Amino acid sequence: DAMVIQNPRYQVTQFGKPVTLSCSQTLNHNVMYWYQQKSSQAPKLLFHYYDKDFNNEADTPDNFQSRRPNTSFCFLDIRSPGLGDAAMYLCATSRGGAGEGEKLFFGSGTQLSVL
Amino acid sequence: DAKTTQPPSMDCAEGRAANLPCNHSTISGNEYVYWYRQIHSQGPQYIIHGLKNNETNEMASLIITEDRKSSTLILPHATLRDTAVYYCIVRVVAAGNKLTFGGGTRVLVKP
Repeated sequence: DAMVIQNPRYQVTQFGKPVTLSCSQTLNHNVMYWYQQKSSQAPKLLFHYYDKDFNNEADTPDNFQSRRPNTSFCFLDIRSPGLGDAAMYLCATSRGGAGEGEKLFFGSGTQLSVL
Repeated sequence: DAKTTQPPSMDCAEGRAANLPCNHSTISGNEYVYWYRQIHSQGPQYIIHGLKNNETNEMASLIITEDRKSSTLILPHATLRDTAVYYCIVRVVAAGNKLTFGGGTRVLVKP
């Protein structure tokens, strides 16, 4: 009964070779987030979609792009991965309401290695 | 969102209560305190949240001081499966508002 599903669990790419990570959700949530988490660090927000509205964090490199073709799916594209982009990439969702009980639901992440 | 300060690590004994402190001295009146945890190789998981009253659910209790400048997450009977990084986050509740993680506390539950 996985609710936020990330594929693949492990991804290996070559330096400079474009790579796409995928996330799907069965919660019908309005908001989808992408976080980057490097070893022994806290997750860092890259961007998020509120429905179709894209919200980029100010310090997210241009090398990172995202697509959300429909409510259920969201993709993270890394156009030219560098060695410093090796990390765990976490997808999360939330309903997007303004209530205090707003929670984020995370997937298990995709561990990206860059060779 | 207000910044939080947590100890980087702490140990606790299995079966005992684990008390995790968090300092948020610059918290604003409209900011809530949230706790998430991240077990190794998994995504973060919501635990509990509160504004000014103490809160309890099936996972934990949250004690917020009267001045709201600090809080404590209590795991009443820690188990080995509670070994994780625990994040204390303060945020304004607004539509689509994001969650910003700080350093967290790495908790090791020992037999």
